[in-house]
Amino acid sequence: DVKVTQSSRYLVKRTGEKVFLECVQDMDHENMFWYRQDPGLGLRLIYFSYDVKMKEKGDIPEGYSVSREKKERFSLILESASTNQTSMYLCASSSYNGQGNIQYFGAGTRLSVL
Amino acid sequence: DAKTTQPTSMDCAEGRAANLPCNHSTISGNEYVYWYRQIHSQGPQYIIHGLKNNETNEMASLIITEDRKSSTLILPHATLRDTAVYYCIVRVEGNQGGKLIFGQGTELSVKP
Repeated sequence: DVKVTQSSRYLVKRTGEKVFLECVQDMDHENMFWYRQDPGLGLRLIYFSYDVKMKEKGDIPEGYSVSREKKERFSLILESASTNQTSMYLCASSSYNGQGNIQYFGAGTRLSVL
Repeated sequence: DAKTTQPTSMDCAEGRAANLPCNHSTISGNEYVYWYRQIHSQGPQYIIHGLKNNETNEMASLIITEDRKSSTLILPHATLRDTAVYYCIVRVEGNQGGKLIFGQGTELSVKP
């Protein structure tokens, strides 16, 4: 079974802190994604990556950055956390073999910024 | 991506089949139908996908009409653990994927 592991299920941070959300997948997938999910807004794509050291902006990249130094790991960084970044963050991965739309999601990290 | 329409909510008795419909009348010839579900407080989970033939796996069956304008996801023997929001997504198959657009979905409640 594909496993996508997010480092924390719940996280509480203060405004202005630098926050790291880590995601690791064990299926050698090329594609990795970071979404956030908010009530009434559905899932919105923040960043994605098709390969190591590659990254592409999604729909809402402002206030976020990402890092992909190894194929299995995709990190989301909040440079200076703000209260409007309180949300559920979801990491996903998929394979590059024509099945890019079959995305496997982690359990999510519920981040609260106070 | 083609737009999809799903009922907001449905109920199903435990042990019975749950039939979840999806309308995608503007689907293009090369677009697939994908189904995901999201159990409360968890990440979305891929269920099944298909192009035009009916598909079955260990989780569900997917029935696509001949004109491909609608489809039905069937959970043959629903259990309480199948209570979730079910999303129907239409996309061209591809290597890189890209963002999945989850609409409002259907909230399925399986009741004892």
